[in-house]
Amino acid sequence: SQQGEEDPQALSIQEGENATMNCSYKTSINNLQWYRQNSGRGLVHLILIRSNEREKHSGRLRVTLDTSKKSSSLLITASRAADTASYFCAPSGSARQLTFGSGTQLTVLP
Amino acid sequence: EAGVAQSPRYKIIEKRQSVAFWCNPISGHATLYWYQQILGQGPKLLIQFQNNGVVDDSQLPKDRFSAERLKGVDSTLKIQPAKLEDSAVYLCASSSSDRGDYEQYFGPGTRLTVT
Repeated sequence: SQQGEEDPQALSIQEGENATMNCSYKTSINNLQWYRQNSGRGLVHLILIRSNEREKHSGRLRVTLDTSKKSSSLLITASRAADTASYFCAPSGSARQLTFGSGTQLTVLP
Repeated sequence: EAGVAQSPRYKIIEKRQSVAFWCNPISGHATLYWYQQILGQGPKLLIQFQNNGVVDDSQLPKDRFSAERLKGVDSTLKIQPAKLEDSAVYLCASSSSDRGDYEQYFGPGTRLTVT
């Protein structure tokens, strides 16, 4: 299916460390988006990477995409307590819709 | 720019009752989505509108759920009658394009509890 599956399901790190989350999917895609969800701000778009791109940066975020392995990763550098949230990848293919997985719950400890 | 507005924020009803949720998308956004998010899971698309037409409602349980988007702006999602398994957060999102390569903007959601 087009649904993304995030790994790990939960991740706990110390403030200042880097956090890496992975996403795998099964069908061809046009692009893949990452979203963050916390209780304060709801579901927020972080970054979009197109199928012909391999890496993209936005502030402390770095996303990679490997279409041959059907996988993506999200790296958050120098994490902060405010980064505590659930992170979802959402592949988008021919149906042009987003299909979310169950997410990675990131906890950043002060 | 005002975000996606939803109301109510919380709703508690008994099973077999009916409930309606309202969504006002970002001005000018032609595409509107309703998602259901059960605790511990990611959002699941229920229905997608392009202006006031339905693009995809394949995952909408049509025996109890209905949605409309009059005049291509506001939208309502109704459940009648509600079941216990409908307890979830209902998210509305909008986008300036239906091409799937534009970000979606989400509202704060309506948390529904069915007892």
